[in-house]
Amino acid sequence: QQQVKQSPQSLIVQKGGISIINCAYENTAFDYFPWYQQFPGKGPALLIAIRPDVSEKKEGRFTISFNKSAKQFSLHIMDSQPGDSATYFCAADRDDKIIFGKGTRLHILP
Amino acid sequence: NAGVMQNPRHLVRRRGQEARLRCSPMKGHSHVYWYRQLPEEGLKFMVYLQKENIIDESGMPKERFSAEFPKEGPSILRIQQVVRGDSAAYFCASSRGQGQPQHFGDGTRLSIL
Repeated sequence: QQQVKQSPQSLIVQKGGISIINCAYENTAFDYFPWYQQFPGKGPALLIAIRPDVSEKKEGRFTISFNKSAKQFSLHIMDSQPGDSATYFCAADRDDKIIFGKGTRLHILP
Repeated sequence: NAGVMQNPRHLVRRRGQEARLRCSPMKGHSHVYWYRQLPEEGLKFMVYLQKENIIDESGMPKERFSAEFPKEGPSILRIQQVVRGDSAAYFCASSRGQGQPQHFGDGTRLSIL
């Protein structure tokens, strides 16, 4: 079964706009929720992460919003830039075993 | 380069051969994790190792796959008698310890002819 569901599969945003990627999880035992950015031919790079006792975390242009009761979390990229074009994965971690979503391919139009 | 190092970057094998994938963790990291990524899919957890110990192998196929992380040297993911379905990108990650962020290498792309 798919424990972490991610949407949309692909997303096109104008330069300067806000990119929003949503995820939902099933297992309430998860205790760490990282987001990864992956460029073609490269490994995933940790972008930002949150623990379930926090409702929001912001690092620069990247913000995670976390709704524990709904078991949902989302990534917002403010002022999106062409260099942000990549595949983004949400994930959930329990006991150091990361469960990844299927990814969102983000394309920022110049 | 102090990152996670994986080699080879690309590996081509014929059906029935063995594939050996190597991973050197970041300096100061003693925990290693292996993941597999199929095209257009997210990464799937395979195994979690510390030096000389397998902590969690719940994602490893029961046959043909094995992993080790010896006291000295890199971690090795070994696939015996490869089949076409083993074609994928295999990523290794490392961390300082339990509950610490995992940092990924750039993967080994395995192609089976």
